[in-house]
Amino acid sequence: AQSVTQLGSHVSVSEGALVLLRCNYSSSVPPYLFWYVQYPNQGLQLLLKYTTGATLVKGINGFEAEFKKSETSFHLTKPSAHMSDAAEYFCAVTVEKSYQKVTFGTGTKLQVIP
Amino acid sequence: DADVTQTPRNRITKTGKRIMLECSQTKGHDRMYWYRQDPGLGLQLIYYSFDVKDINKGEISDGYSVSRQAQAKFSLSLESAIPNQTALYFCATSEEGLQGTYNSPLHFGNGTRLTVT
Repeated sequence: AQSVTQLGSHVSVSEGALVLLRCNYSSSVPPYLFWYVQYPNQGLQLLLKYTTGATLVKGINGFEAEFKKSETSFHLTKPSAHMSDAAEYFCAVTVEKSYQKVTFGTGTKLQVIP
Repeated sequence: DADVTQTPRNRITKTGKRIMLECSQTKGHDRMYWYRQDPGLGLQLIYYSFDVKDINKGEISDGYSVSRQAQAKFSLSLESAIPNQTALYFCATSEEGLQGTYNSPLHFGNGTRLTVT
């Protein structure tokens, strides 16, 4: 069975500061990893995904994440926070032959302080 | 324009009532899902369907039922609503991955906020 742990349910950063949202996963087989963003009153939108290949994955809105197998991590970063980045972020994992059983983390709410 | 449309956006109902949440999509995806979101718990899978004749239970299907009326329509029913079913409900779709893989991202609707009093 797979699982996801997001460290920190709330993260605050100043505008222009580095954004780092942490995600660790557990999986007995190679995982597929995703970050989704949820803005108020909206559904989740895909930010980026890792399936195979390059371990540094670039997504939309300047976000990127690095798959580190040895650390079982898939942390999300952005060099400079913008006010529009304030949202809730979800890390998710699935594995091959899981019949698309996607396991979501509990989410991290990002606050950007002007 | 929304590719995955959920109706209603908000619903308040009373304990014991039957309620249906509807989802339609224009993405042409075969796979459709119903998720429930509770604060601090992430998203939990209620039901999923890989085509019109394929319906599967998710993690938390008790108290819920679904109907896949067409490739583009997937509805969720609460036969007898109870207060702990108060939550935000999402419909999602995905396409089949290359060579039948399961690594395609989910595409979500904007959700239905359900309150059971």
